Amino acid sequence: ETGVTQSPTHLIKTRGQQVTLRCSSQSGHNTVSWYQQALGQGPQFIFQYYREEENGRGNFPPRFSGLQFPNYSSELNVNALELDDSALYLCASSLRTEETQYFGPGTRLLVL
Amino acid sequence: QQQVKQSPQSLIVQKGGISIINCAYENTAFDYFPWYQQFPGKGPALLIAIRPDVSEKKEGRFTISFNKSAKQFSLHIMDSQPGDSATYFCAAADSWGKLQFGAGTQVVVTP
Repeated sequence: ETGVTQSPTHLIKTRGQQVTLRCSSQSGHNTVSWYQQALGQGPQFIFQYYREEENGRGNFPPRFSGLQFPNYSSELNVNALELDDSALYLCASSLRTEETQYFGPGTRLLVL
Repeated sequence: QQQVKQSPQSLIVQKGGISIINCAYENTAFDYFPWYQQFPGKGPALLIAIRPDVSEKKEGRFTISFNKSAKQFSLHIMDSQPGDSATYFCAAADSWGKLQFGAGTQVVVTP
């Protein structure tokens, strides 16, 4: 267990809806990254937050947005859901001074 | 464009055998190369990692070999056990730890 928690564990939405996923970092970690893992593929980097600011973004459209709170927890918001957004969404926390990232168990999102 | 290429896609090895997974990267800005193990329904778990100034790192039954000039690295799992059956991902990261993953290798260890 890494100490990174995510909620909810599973979620079903319909196309066009909006969703918010939540992540609590491992104690003391100040950096949070989000990844999307489609079935049978490797995780894809969405974005990273450090000290409540976005610090880099992967190849994802603006309808993917995030927040980091003063306690370093984080949210991932996805607007106008598409069928291809169905995936496992992973949160990873780390210390700014170290590259090692620790992953949570993920949130499985299904878009119908 | 996939920045980290991983092979094979899957492999089957007998208990006690050696599993070898290979990865190649293109971006020379990467300076940290971890391997993650993932079981069904779970998040990836860090297995072992290496920096480009080291050619080999061993932790228990797991060894990373790194060839900086060829921009390639590999994972060797010695004395493979049924509990090693999982999907393995190589990755490469910049100084902020933003990870670019390979496509994964599904390893099945037969009794």
